[in-house]
Amino acid sequence: EIVMTQSPLSLPVTPGEPASISCRSSQSLLHSDGKNYLGWYLQKPGQSPQLLIYLGSNRASGVPDRFSGSGSGTDFTLKISRVEAEDVGVYYCMQGIDTPQVTFGGGTRVEIK
Amino acid sequence: QVQLQQSGPGLVKPSQTLSLTCAISGDSVSRNSGSWNWIRQSPSRGFEWLARTYYSSRWSNSYTSSLRGRLTINADTSKNQFSLQLNTVTPEDTAVYYCARMTTTTNGAFDIWGQGTTVTVSS
Repeated sequence: EIVMTQSPLSLPVTPGEPASISCRSSQSLLHSDGKNYLGWYLQKPGQSPQLLIYLGSNRASGVPDRFSGSGSGTDFTLKISRVEAEDVGVYYCMQGIDTPQVTFGGGTRVEIK
Repeated sequence: QVQLQQSGPGLVKPSQTLSLTCAISGDSVSRNSGSWNWIRQSPSRGFEWLARTYYSSRWSNSYTSSLRGRLTINADTSKNQFSLQLNTVTPEDTAVYYCARMTTTTNGAFDIWGQGTTVTVSS
């Protein structure tokens, strides 16, 4: 099983300031097709997860461009260029290279200072 | 737009069978690419992928090895939905259960999720 590790566990942020979340995998997520099978999700309080980023750096439909994903292999980052109040919740990374046996990180809780 | 509507009981007694259904609107359960999945989330184990079904000239099902033998996933093309059965439940199966879609566009990621069903296993 591929283990996904996120940091930090909690991230207090100031509206308008940038934020960054790290995700590390125990095995490379770089497929032979040249794509990184890493996704980012946001789970707002009381809601289902919503896809933000797929294949490491592709924004999902309707996701604001203040969200960006980067990284390759085993190290990945989700960046929010300017945090807004509606961005609070728990962020998760998920590996999809081992589909269907996908695995998720433990989550990073983003809260407003 | 594509929506997944879940239904099923919120309370199940130990040793009984949990049955959940995910009704699809705006897409087809027998689409030729992608898959339909069940995932659960609990405070103790986080997110756990459970099962998937997809159609590619024939139906194919996969299950997590940790629950193999207890899980059954089925697609119903006449109702455009898929379902999950988990038998011999215990309190450790208490979780929020989600259905979700994966497509070849968002390859390796779930782009559409159901609203979630909170399932409690208790007598």
